[in-house]
Amino acid sequence: DGGITQSPKYLFRKEGQNVTLSCEQNLNHDAMYWYRQDPGQGLRLIYYSQIVNDFQKGDIAEGYSVSREKKESFPLTVTSAQKNPTAFYLCASSIGWDRVAQHFGDGTRLSIL
Amino acid sequence: GQQVMQIPQYQHVQEGEDFTTYCNSSTTLSNIQWYKQRPGGHPVFLIQLVKSGEVKKQKRLTFQFGEAKKNSSLHITATQTTDVGTYFCAVPNAGGTSYGKLTFGQGTILTVHP
Repeated sequence: DGGITQSPKYLFRKEGQNVTLSCEQNLNHDAMYWYRQDPGQGLRLIYYSQIVNDFQKGDIAEGYSVSREKKESFPLTVTSAQKNPTAFYLCASSIGWDRVAQHFGDGTRLSIL
Repeated sequence: GQQVMQIPQYQHVQEGEDFTTYCNSSTTLSNIQWYKQRPGGHPVFLIQLVKSGEVKKQKRLTFQFGEAKKNSSLHITATQTTDVGTYFCAVPNAGGTSYGKLTFGQGTILTVHP
């Protein structure tokens, strides 16, 4: 089955700790994205990557970092600089980047201990 | 960056009633997409509209793109409990380093009372 796998499903972060959220896709999509969703709100773009070894900041990149070393993988690190990390994090991918649907993973819920 | 206003934020209906959500942009759009997110789930792509005045139907769902390509609507006829969820519109950022980005509306949360 082709799809996007996010792990873990739930994650707890201690103060001052960096955590990494995994996103893997086997759809052979070029573009990948990370969004943050807060309760009752829309999706806000954190980072996106249109091609391997390249990525761009989204609207709320501060306190986050990413890498794109492989086409199928786009991990997101939530650093200690992100003071309000509690949210639902969604990874998505698309076959291109213009007028194409984005396909989402099941998400990771991050909470602060 | 691109901005899009989606209304209403919430809609409660009785099963069988109709439902409509609207997205409005201050700028002309090249296209608009609609997604549905079930409670506890992830957004799922529903449709993309590209042409001025375009109307597309998926069973009980009707999607429209305004003549000026600045607004769009999603209408559900005779809602069912399976329609529960949040409906988002998403519009592209065009040009430069923003190419490929989507801006999502805040979403309309639909609840359906049986």
